[in-house]
Amino acid sequence: SFELTQPPSLAVSPGQTANITCSGDRLGDKYACWYQQKPGQSPVVVMYQDDKRPAGISERFSGSNSGNTATLIISGTRPMDEADYYCQAWDSSTVVFGGGTKLTVL
Amino acid sequence: QVQLVESGGGLVKPGGSLRLSCEASGFTFSDHFMTWIRQAPGKGLEWVSYISNNGITIYYADSVKGRFTISRDNAKKSLHLQMNSLRADDTAVYYCARDGAIEGWFDSWGQGTLVTVSS
Repeated sequence: SFELTQPPSLAVSPGQTANITCSGDRLGDKYACWYQQKPGQSPVVVMYQDDKRPAGISERFSGSNSGNTATLIISGTRPMDEADYYCQAWDSSTVVFGGGTKLTVL
Repeated sequence: QVQLVESGGGLVKPGGSLRLSCEASGFTFSDHFMTWIRQAPGKGLEWVSYISNNGITIYYADSVKGRFTISRDNAKKSLHLQMNSLRADDTAVYYCARDGAIEGWFDSWGQGTLVTVSS
């Protein structure tokens, strides 16, 4: 079955760029999207169709998807970006989520 | 604004049943495909089920197939999840969410309702 793999954690300093990866077999042939979830809150989509940013999401967020890897890029990371991030894609009438990456802004 | 409000969660014994509901407002419910997604305590997101705008196309995760049934009432702007033969590993917060495009991304989520399966 199709699986998406994310690093469990990533730590960056404020102002640095965070690159959160999501790997899956030929993921680049599908659309990937990304959700941000802060403690005690529901997930919020921050990127869809690989590189489209929903209204209200900071321009510091961008995305790419090629080959086997989708990447969520957060430029100029701020303490408010500290959260869990999940990638998601569709495969054979099934929604697949990555295991999530906990982003820590030190 | 788009609002999704889940209800129906609670404590149930293994083998028991529960029916979750999601009331939608702020958008044309009958235009959108909808989904249920769950999150076990301290764990990641797990997709549960998906239904087309007219209720004809339905998908289930293997983990719930044959036990859970998704349905919707467009006249009442509501989404439902009938959960039977519940197991301890079904314990989770259950979210309903709106699909932003057919088999796309989920652009609006409810606040979730907690289901606890325990004796």
